Amino acid sequence: GQQLNQSPQSMFIQEGEDVSMNCTSSSIFNTWLWYKQDPGEGPVLLIALYKAGELTSNGRLTAQFGITRKDSFLNISASIPSDVGIYFCAGQPWTGANNLFFGTGTRLTVIP
Amino acid sequence: DTGVSQNPRHKITKRGQNVTFRCDPISEHNRLYWYRQTLGQGPEFLTYFQNEAQLEKSRLLSDRFSAERPKGSFSTLEIPRTEQGDSAMYLCASSLDIGQISNEQFFGPGTRLTVL
Repeated sequence: GQQLNQSPQSMFIQEGEDVSMNCTSSSIFNTWLWYKQDPGEGPVLLIALYKAGELTSNGRLTAQFGITRKDSFLNISASIPSDVGIYFCAGQPWTGANNLFFGTGTRLTVIP
Repeated sequence: DTGVSQNPRHKITKRGQNVTFRCDPISEHNRLYWYRQTLGQGPEFLTYFQNEAQLEKSRLLSDRFSAERPKGSFSTLEIPRTEQGDSAMYLCASSLDIGQISNEQFFGPGTRLTVL
């Protein structure tokens, strides 16, 4: 199956700091999505990206679809305690599969 | 709440017992997906329905497992003769079959299965 590598695996930051995380793949994806998951809950969709180079914002979150189609980045500005959780990238490969392939997640801890 | 709902939220069962989970997608969504998530991992695809037709199954979907979506609305995932390795969070997602938006999958809260 497709391998999505997320980094970093975990982050500890102070409230108010900006955060960056990324996701890379060995093959081309035609869609990238970013989800946030709280403990015991399902993933919540944050941002969807459809074109190489696309930059999309959702409040304090900004994500980019890498120009090579093999990576994506998520930035969170001015972090707040409720940003705590696990962030997953997910992608749909160019082969037209209907399912999403998920990364292993970045666990974010925000210290008040 | 008009999101994806799943029942039960938690299920503890003994090895060898049968379990069935239910998923109610967002009402206008005709695509429905089942994923499995183990601790420390991202969700992994199991199967996908378009309306009532099961169009795709992954190799992860054991031959024991069966999923149905008889009327193209809610779906059930049945695991007969459970094994300890079946312990996981089972997630359901749905999406609207319109162009690119079909890729935007909305997840339910999941059913956490523990097999003793």
